[in-house]
Amino acid sequence: GAVVSQHPSWVICKSGTSVKIECRSLDFQATTMFWYRQFPKQSLMLMATSNEGSKATYEQGVEKDKFLINHASLTLSTLTVTSAHPEDSSFYICSASPGGGLSYEQYFGPGTRLTVT
Amino acid sequence: GENVEQHPSTLSVQEGDSAVIKCTYSDSASNYFPWYKQELGKGPQLIIDIRSNVGEKKDQRIAVTLNKTAKHFSLHITETQPEDSAVYFCAASIRGGYQKVTFGTGTKLQVIP
Repeated sequence: GAVVSQHPSWVICKSGTSVKIECRSLDFQATTMFWYRQFPKQSLMLMATSNEGSKATYEQGVEKDKFLINHASLTLSTLTVTSAHPEDSSFYICSASPGGGLSYEQYFGPGTRLTVT
Repeated sequence: GENVEQHPSTLSVQEGDSAVIKCTYSDSASNYFPWYKQELGKGPQLIIDIRSNVGEKKDQRIAVTLNKTAKHFSLHITETQPEDSAVYFCAASIRGGYQKVTFGTGTKLQVIP
């Protein structure tokens, strides 16, 4: 149980284009989903928290207009990197929490490797 | 905000030996402390967690201890095996309406056969 998937697992795009990453909770409903970014050999940095049906809450320093987050249903959240640049190349990981703020646990997806050329 | 420090950054042990990773946190309101194992190119996997009302928790070869007064918690892996080799992250969070997890900097564990 508690499986989270991400799609795609890796993507290469050209500078200036947009890329959408999907995060799905497969066997539970996730009121809250989180998006993280991880650079090589570094820890996970929280980018934003999304609650189903409401606007995402972004961490300080994360550009809302560049990283668009949509949490359209209790099992799906999407992250769109708009006008991507090489510095956006990174490992993006989502997580989902069953029961939202009433639950302790977060379950992570396998991650999406984004390379911007 | 919360700050989680983790040591050591790298750890090499011989197969069969024990490994200990230590973390400290700054926010006394934190009440949930998960540990994650991350293999290369994959997302973190929850391996064990502990809540603030518990001082110790064990699951087979893995155990976690928590000292709320000192604000530190540790991961203990006994009888290490090569498949334990990975990066381990500690984390701290506050259960509530907005659950935010703050991660430590990670420990790369290498178990030498």
